[in-house]
Amino acid sequence: RKEVEQDPGPFNVPEGATVAFNCTYSNSASQSFFWYRQDCRKEPKLLMSVYSSGNEDGRFTAQLNRASQYISLLIRDSKLSDSATYLCVVNMRHGNTDKLIFGTGTRLQVFP
Amino acid sequence: GAVVSQHPSWVICKSGTSVKIECRSLDFQATTMFWYRQFPKQSLMLMATSNEGSKATYEQGVEKDKFLINHASLTLSTLTVTSAHPEDSSFYICSADGLLAGGGTDTQYFGPGTRLTVL
Repeated sequence: RKEVEQDPGPFNVPEGATVAFNCTYSNSASQSFFWYRQDCRKEPKLLMSVYSSGNEDGRFTAQLNRASQYISLLIRDSKLSDSATYLCVVNMRHGNTDKLIFGTGTRLQVFP
Repeated sequence: GAVVSQHPSWVICKSGTSVKIECRSLDFQATTMFWYRQFPKQSLMLMATSNEGSKATYEQGVEKDKFLINHASLTLSTLTVTSAHPEDSSFYICSADGLLAGGGTDTQYFGPGTRLTVL
């Protein structure tokens, strides 16, 4: 089983749509959680951290359910510029070092 | 702030040659740098973790003699792919931990990546 699993995608949605991505992680000792965005042939960029209480950043809302080991990302009012691959990322502490474990990503394509 | 650069951004080489990739934290110091590899349509996979002044820690399945990592200063880490073969063609991305840049221990700043093509 993969450590971080995501919706297979791709998601093709019209502008203005609301889209939700899901992610599950296997290691209950995981300590912190993130959503990253990766554009084609570019490095990943941090979109937002994910907290148990849920957090919102403009059109983006992230949720974490530790009991179910489940993370979600909701994008409201999709823009063309939201087209990218969204990576679910889990942080694990190994000794003195934090390691990021990346999901394979879910591709989003927003069309006019 | 917290900018990480990589050089070169892309490289094409012949099979059997060695390629060195540099990763620099430009405006902060990083005690730990990470090297990732990403094949098409796949996730970023951590190859190794390097700490300044000490030997790198390699992930399972990554050959340390093939992927040489040097982290000689708090702002520079290098990855050398020795005797590269076509199957080593990939997108190599480094990151630097953000602790000394004011981020948490789980903050990493990513370089723009190096696309390696081995003919």
